[in-house]
Amino acid sequence: EDQVTQSPEALRLQEGESSSLNCSYTVSGLRGLFWYRQDPGKGPEFLFTLYSAGEEKEKERLKATLTKKESFLHITAPKPEDSATYLCAVTFAGTYKYIFGTGTRLKVLA
Amino acid sequence: GAVVSQHPSWVICKSGTSVKIECRSLDFQATTMFWYRQFPKQSLMLMATSNEGSKATYEQGVEKDKFLINHASLTLSTLTVTSAHPEDSSFYICSAPLSGGSSGDTQYFGPGTRLTVL
Repeated sequence: EDQVTQSPEALRLQEGESSSLNCSYTVSGLRGLFWYRQDPGKGPEFLFTLYSAGEEKEKERLKATLTKKESFLHITAPKPEDSATYLCAVTFAGTYKYIFGTGTRLKVLA
Repeated sequence: GAVVSQHPSWVICKSGTSVKIECRSLDFQATTMFWYRQFPKQSLMLMATSNEGSKATYEQGVEKDKFLINHASLTLSTLTVTSAHPEDSSFYICSAPLSGGSSGDTQYFGPGTRLTVL
């Protein structure tokens, strides 16, 4: 069964304390892995798309990496404004539909 | 970047009435749009795929007669919740892929519509 699992479910960090969020997947023929940030009461905001193992993308304090089985979202020196739920989703061969993970709720304390 | 809007951002209605939610792609054309539903502290659940010029495709368990979808143009899809009941109260979010909806396309999401049925 195609699945996407995110860990941890929730994470509390002190401001400046770097960490990583994990998104592991069991799908055949990955076509794309997507990271989004979602603030309460809002729609997901696009962060990154990764297509192949070894690919990396960066944006400000965030860096996303991809292997054949998982993706990491590295947060370097986070700030309170990075607090949000981070969602990953995948698509695989034969479908354009997203399979979402359950998300990681990140809280960064000042 | 690709911008998707939704209207209204929130709506309160009485049980038994119908509510229409609009989803627009503002700076690109979208032949395909997606409608999701999200419950508190849960991830997004795909309800249906909206296709410009053809019928929507509904996910298993989603009542197509209750959730009417019309893809009126290349920039507009609407979701009408008919005969709404309190259990339909939820956060509804639409999305549109930038490149027509093929596998691997990035989807851009609207800001969501909070529906409360009294």
